[in-house]
Amino acid sequence: EAGVTQFPSHSVIEKGQTVTLRCDPISGHDNLYWYRRVMGKEIKFLLHFVKESKQDESGMPNNRFLAERTGGTYSTLKVQPAELEDSGVYFCASSQGWADTQYFGPGTRLTVL
Amino acid sequence: KNEVEQSPQNLTAQEGEFITINCSYSVGISALHWLQQHPGGGIVSLFMLSSGKKKHGRLIATINIQEKHSSLHITASHPRDSAVYICAVRSLYGANSKLTFGKGITLSVRP
Repeated sequence: EAGVTQFPSHSVIEKGQTVTLRCDPISGHDNLYWYRRVMGKEIKFLLHFVKESKQDESGMPNNRFLAERTGGTYSTLKVQPAELEDSGVYFCASSQGWADTQYFGPGTRLTVL
Repeated sequence: KNEVEQSPQNLTAQEGEFITINCSYSVGISALHWLQQHPGGGIVSLFMLSSGKKKHGRLIATINIQEKHSSLHITASHPRDSAVYICAVRSLYGANSKLTFGKGITLSVRP
């Protein structure tokens, strides 16, 4: 069974540009989460999808971040326009039920110059 | 103060030693996760606990809900155990499944 995959693994962009991160959860997992680790800090929650619906987006930093999960399968996280403080590693995780173990993807390392 | 605190911050051990990593939290939780991340690698879920103790191979995780404390023990440590170990908790309240993370402990096991 394939695990959670994320694309790209690395992205380097300039301030003001747009970047879109993609997450493919484990097949059949209704719950999908986005997390972020900024250098030197702990991993923080961004948002949670149940199927295609946003269950909790309390961790989204501001309106420059837009997450979608059309069709309830893969998800995208778009940052537009990117700022220096958006640099970090963005992790995606998925779980079958909301109380089940979350399985993490390898992360996307975003560097904004 | 973070809701999830881990100690020690960094840890170096000799191969074969028994290792304990601690996690304390300040909120009511429904579950606690222990996660592992090897250098350059992804995050792997080791355990999800809501009470008592779980064992997998050389790893043992315990939790004391009353004291809001969990420990991860590694017996007969090996250099391949070198990784960052992260504690994360899921809130007790509502159908809220987001995780709150500690900063992680960097463990180095020397041969």
